[in-house]
Amino acid sequence: SQTIHQWPATLVQPVGSPLSLECTVEGTSNPNLYWYRQAAGRGLQLLFYSVGIGQISSEVPQNLSASRPQDRQFILSSKKLLLSDSGFYLCAWCPGTGIYEQYFGPGTRLTVT
Amino acid sequence: AQTVTQSQPEMSVQEAETVTLSCTYDTSESDYYLFWYKQPPSRQMILVIRQEAYKQQNATENRFSVNFQKAAKSFSLKISDSQLGDAAMYFCAYSQTYGGSQGNLIFGKGTKLSVKP
Repeated sequence: SQTIHQWPATLVQPVGSPLSLECTVEGTSNPNLYWYRQAAGRGLQLLFYSVGIGQISSEVPQNLSASRPQDRQFILSSKKLLLSDSGFYLCAWCPGTGIYEQYFGPGTRLTVT
Repeated sequence: AQTVTQSQPEMSVQEAETVTLSCTYDTSESDYYLFWYKQPPSRQMILVIRQEAYKQQNATENRFSVNFQKAAKSFSLKISDSQLGDAAMYFCAYSQTYGGSQGNLIFGKGTKLSVKP
């Protein structure tokens, strides 16, 4: 069966510091991968998605970037965090063509102080 | 652009009773998918049910069922025999089936469901 992991689970970082959040998927190959952010009490905002290694599409221009160095690894990064980057970050995967439901990881709670 | 609207920010139901959560969406496409996701206090999103637009039959998963009205662009979720574990945020989501955004989900803002013992 497929599983999705995210780490760290919780992170507290000062403004201006770098960020690296990691997401990995097991039990599948060539998945579509997604990063979402959820601000407190709000819905999910799609940040990035990837349909293959090295292929990244950005939905929202911002202080963040994403990379996909391996088939089942998706990384969310920032060189300098802003207070507005605080939130709950969710990674998701989708099998791809013909299947549209997404399966989510446990999430990372990021607090920028 | 497609949009998803959940007009009920909060709902409450008595344990063992039935509750219906509303969702409307806007799209010009004829083929798409709709989903309901549950987000419990742990905040991990869990897929509850999916509906394919070209299927007229309403989807069901145990105590969860949908009322899909394609012409009205309505997609409500009915939870029967509500249990305490059903308390969560529920999100309605839409996915188009082709185009540049590969299966990207568009979410509503969610409905917070409370279950009273």
